[in-house]
Amino acid sequence: DVKVTQSSRYLVKRTGEKVFLECVQDMDHENMFWYRQDPGLGLRLIYFSYDVKMKEKGDIPEGYSVSREKKERFSLILESASTNQTSMYLCASSWGTSGVSSYEQYFGPGTRLTVT
Amino acid sequence: RKEVEQDPGPFNVPEGATVAFNCTYSNSASQSFFWYRQDCRKEPKLLMSVYSSGNEDGRFTAQLNRASQYISLLIRDSKLSDSATYLCVVNRGGGFKTIFGAGTRLFVKA
Repeated sequence: DVKVTQSSRYLVKRTGEKVFLECVQDMDHENMFWYRQDPGLGLRLIYFSYDVKMKEKGDIPEGYSVSREKKERFSLILESASTNQTSMYLCASSWGTSGVSSYEQYFGPGTRLTVT
Repeated sequence: RKEVEQDPGPFNVPEGATVAFNCTYSNSASQSFFWYRQDCRKEPKLLMSVYSSGNEDGRFTAQLNRASQYISLLIRDSKLSDSATYLCVVNRGGGFKTIFGAGTRLFVKA
């Protein structure tokens, strides 16, 4: 079974703090993704990475950065947390070779971040 | 217009009923399509991929209509355990970016 783990289930931070969210996958997947999920808006892609040290912006990258130094680990960084970044953050990974299966994503349990 | 649109529901159905969800997408270059299921306070999990010829997995049938740009999910003989939010997912043709619909909520009642 694919396993995607995230460093925290719940996190409370103050406005202006730098926040690190960590994600690790154990299936040697090429692609990794960070989403946020908000009621009524669904999942929105923040950033994704298709290889070590490679990254691409998703639909809502403002206020976020990412790091992928090792294949199995993908970090999301909030440089200066703001209250509008309060959300559920979900990490996912996929094979990323070719064919339909390369797009099938496996998700971690999520981190519920509250910024006060 | 959203890239992927779903009826948010909720759909309230009795056990044993057949229920169908539709999802429309706007990018005609989209290549890959999926249905995910998300239980309350849990992460999304892949339910099934949607192939051009349609595919079936037990009580679940997925169809793709490229001409009208929609995909559908049919659930037969609904179970209480089918209660969840069903997410339609479409990739932006040619890349790994995927777009999630906002989901359709299903409640199956005894």
